[in-house]
Amino acid sequence: GIQVEQSPPDLILQEGANSTLRCNFSDSVNNLQWFHQNPWGQLINLFYIPSGTKQNGRLSATTVATERYSLLYISSSQTTDSGVYFCAVGNQAGTALIFGKGTTLSVSS
Amino acid sequence: NAGVTQTPKFQVLKTGQSMTLQCAQDMNHEYMSWYRQDPGMGLRLIHYSVGAGITDQGEVPNGYNVSRSTTEDFPLRLLSAAPSQTSVYFCASSYSRWGANQPQHFGDGTRLSIL
Repeated sequence: GIQVEQSPPDLILQEGANSTLRCNFSDSVNNLQWFHQNPWGQLINLFYIPSGTKQNGRLSATTVATERYSLLYISSSQTTDSGVYFCAVGNQAGTALIFGKGTTLSVSS
Repeated sequence: NAGVTQTPKFQVLKTGQSMTLQCAQDMNHEYMSWYRQDPGMGLRLIHYSVGAGITDQGEVPNGYNVSRSTTEDFPLRLLSAAPSQTSVYFCASSYSRWGANQPQHFGDGTRLSIL
């Protein structure tokens, strides 16, 4: 099956710093999604990005499907950005999302 | 719209007990699914449904049953709870039956402890 690897596993930042999170996947995929799990455990869909680049405020994401990776950029980080960021890809049948193990981000003031 | 609603939020069970985790969505989504989240493992798919009356297994289906009698509801049943089923359970939905290829909407999760 498709393998999804995220790096780094942990990231510690000072407020205001920028960061890049990476997601590699082992096979061609029909879609890729980024999620943020906040400290209360809620999963928020950040981007649905099978290819190309999208931006939403201080966050942006780029997926290069032909090279099997996606990047999530966080600029001017805030303490509210803390949590776990998951990358997930859809299988070919469209019946399942395969999640990476996540990147845990801690932003301190 | 309430989105995806999961109940209960927390539950403690004894080994061997059975229970049903409820999931309801009010967005008329065809695709619904259940995941479990364990420390360091990400989320893993338990069961999914592409419409009323249609369900199938995911990566970790053993010990769980599902049914989909209506578009709105997708309950997850633990038949005989085991400590290995201690986890956080998430329900998700998306618009089309090829749900994994659409933006997924998640409920807030159910934290389940099996003693």
